[in-house]
Amino acid sequence: DVQLVESGGGLVKPGGSLRLSCAASGLTFTNAWMSWVRQAPGKELEWVGRIKSNTDGGTTDYAAPVKGRFTISRDDSSYTLYLQMNSLRTEDTAVYYCTTGGGSYIPHWGLGTLVTVSS
Amino acid sequence: EVVMTQSPATLSVSPGEKATLSCRASQSVSNNFAWYQQRPGQAPRLLIYGASARATGIPDRFSGSGSGTELTLTISSLQSEDFAVYYCQQYNNWPQTFGQGTKLEIK
Repeated sequence: DVQLVESGGGLVKPGGSLRLSCAASGLTFTNAWMSWVRQAPGKELEWVGRIKSNTDGGTTDYAAPVKGRFTISRDDSSYTLYLQMNSLRTEDTAVYYCTTGGGSYIPHWGLGTLVTVSS
Repeated sequence: EVVMTQSPATLSVSPGEKATLSCRASQSVSNNFAWYQQRPGQAPRLLIYGASARATGIPDRFSGSGSGTELTLTISSLQSEDFAVYYCQQYNNWPQTFGQGTKLEIK
């Protein structure tokens, strides 16, 4: 079974940085396109960004609200996905989910990690 | 980007009855859309993709229909575990977008 386990969430002040990790297992990670999706408290789901497999170029795409502040990367040797978040704002407060896929339906979701941006 | 609008925001239905949830896209998404269920405190779970294909392990009381701009999720006979929030998602146009959700509650 596919398992995605996020870590790295927590409380950070506005303007600060945080890096989330997602440990993947049960899939051929090197071939997988991966994404991050977030959900603010009591709100709907919002796609954050994606990274293609390295065999497909390894390029990234981001949603407009995070472009230029967030960076997605991957380490295929350790089956780990990352989300580097800089210049955090209060509106970035959300549960961040690691997911498989990168532009289609989403068959696998992690349990999520909560990021709270507050002074 | 494509805006997905779900209705109603809250739907009250009795166990054993049928529930019909709707989603409207601001432009055609063909059959490239999906439905997810999210129970409190849990991650979303894929129910339907490609408009009408059930994901692995999803009971046949869940069915999806529609194409273009009008999408429907039907739950034929509600069980206690079905009371949750449901989201539609389109992936026909970049970026993929989600609806705001329909909360299905016990009447």
